[in-house]
Amino acid sequence: DGGITQSPKYLFRKEGQNVTLSCEQNLNHDAMYWYRQDPGQGLRLIYYSQIVNDFQKGDIAEGYSVSREKKESFPLTVTSAQKNPTAFYLCASSVRSVEFGKPSNQPQHFGDGTRLSIL
Amino acid sequence: GQSLEQPSEVTAVEGAIVQINCTYQTSGFYGLSWYQQHDGGAPTFLSYNGLDGLEETGRFSSFLSRSDSYGYLLLQELQMKDSASYFCAPLNPGGYNKLIFGAGTRLAVHP
Repeated sequence: DGGITQSPKYLFRKEGQNVTLSCEQNLNHDAMYWYRQDPGQGLRLIYYSQIVNDFQKGDIAEGYSVSREKKESFPLTVTSAQKNPTAFYLCASSVRSVEFGKPSNQPQHFGDGTRLSIL
Repeated sequence: GQSLEQPSEVTAVEGAIVQINCTYQTSGFYGLSWYQQHDGGAPTFLSYNGLDGLEETGRFSSFLSRSDSYGYLLLQELQMKDSASYFCAPLNPGGYNKLIFGAGTRLAVHP
């Protein structure tokens, strides 16, 4: 079955440590996204990528980094610079727009998320 | 600036109809999506309105009025499993399928 896999489901970070959250998809989607969700809140965009080797900062990119070396994978690193990393992290993917300057109305498909906490 | 307004909580009984309103103010607008998220789960896509009017998908319908910067999600024949958070998400007109999520509406369905 096609889908998005996030791992691990739960992750604990020590102070001063960088941690990497995995996101893999086999939907053949070009576009991928990382969101952060705090309790009782909506989703805030961290980074997004429309194609391999390209990614853009979202609304809250500070303290995070990403890479997009393969179409299927979009790992997120939470660096020690992110002082309040405790949150629910969601990865998503979608069909990208094929028409320059226009978004695709195709839905975003989400993984089951990773819960990150500070030790 | 950008803003999204949805009621924070809505309560209804099984079998009833509920409407969740959404007003938006964005720097650009291409369409409006709706997503459902159960507690602790992943958001799932419900519907998309690219044009004004009503879109119907089973028990769920979604409406958009671009001139009023307003949309709503209508849930009919409510079931207990519909208890979840619902997010309206305007689609940014740039080429990156960038959605804007607000805080969402928490729907509680009671017997």
